[in-house]
Amino acid sequence: SQKIEQNSEALNIQEGKTATLTCNYTNYSPAYLQWYRQDPGRGPVFLLLIRENEKEKRKERLKVTFDTTLKQSLFHITASQPADSATYLCARDSNYQLIWGAGTKLIIKP
Amino acid sequence: DVKVTQSSRYLVKRTGEKVFLECVQDMDHENMFWYRQDPGLGLRLIYFSYDVKMKEKGDIPEGYSVSREKKERFSLILESASTNQTSMYLCASSVAGGSNEQFFGPGTRLTVL
Repeated sequence: SQKIEQNSEALNIQEGKTATLTCNYTNYSPAYLQWYRQDPGRGPVFLLLIRENEKEKRKERLKVTFDTTLKQSLFHITASQPADSATYLCARDSNYQLIWGAGTKLIIKP
Repeated sequence: DVKVTQSSRYLVKRTGEKVFLECVQDMDHENMFWYRQDPGLGLRLIYFSYDVKMKEKGDIPEGYSVSREKKERFSLILESASTNQTSMYLCASSVAGGSNEQFFGPGTRLTVL
């Protein structure tokens, strides 16, 4: 079955540094991957979508890459700020649904 | 802005009770989804609907049913609540098609005693 794996350990980053989160998938390459942000007690909020034929996508301080050889997507936040602290979820397509990773908690320390 | 609302933020029910969770979206989206989220397990799809009166089972439909009588409203029903259904329930909607972003409601934290 298809799975999405994200690092379950919290990631602690110093303010101003680049935070990099990893999303690994199994089996065949998805047509696209989506990244969401989730704050405590709230629903996820969509951030970026990257398609299989795209190597990289950017949005302001966010950058997502898609490596079909490694079966991996990396999510980068440059010049990180304490307000970026949240849980970040990765999801892949599967028969018009999404399969979700468990998320990685990011903590940006001042 | 797309708005997805859920009827309750917090709900406490007793084992065996029938529970209704309501979700309403205001952007005329075709697709609607019900998920539950538990620590360490991520979002798991319970049911989804791609049109009025249409429903499809997700990964964990057992113990749940759904109703979509109007395009904007998607209800999740727990016929006889059990303690293992204590969870965060999230509703989402999206336009038709597979790659479109999902818009989520704030979630309902359900506790079954």
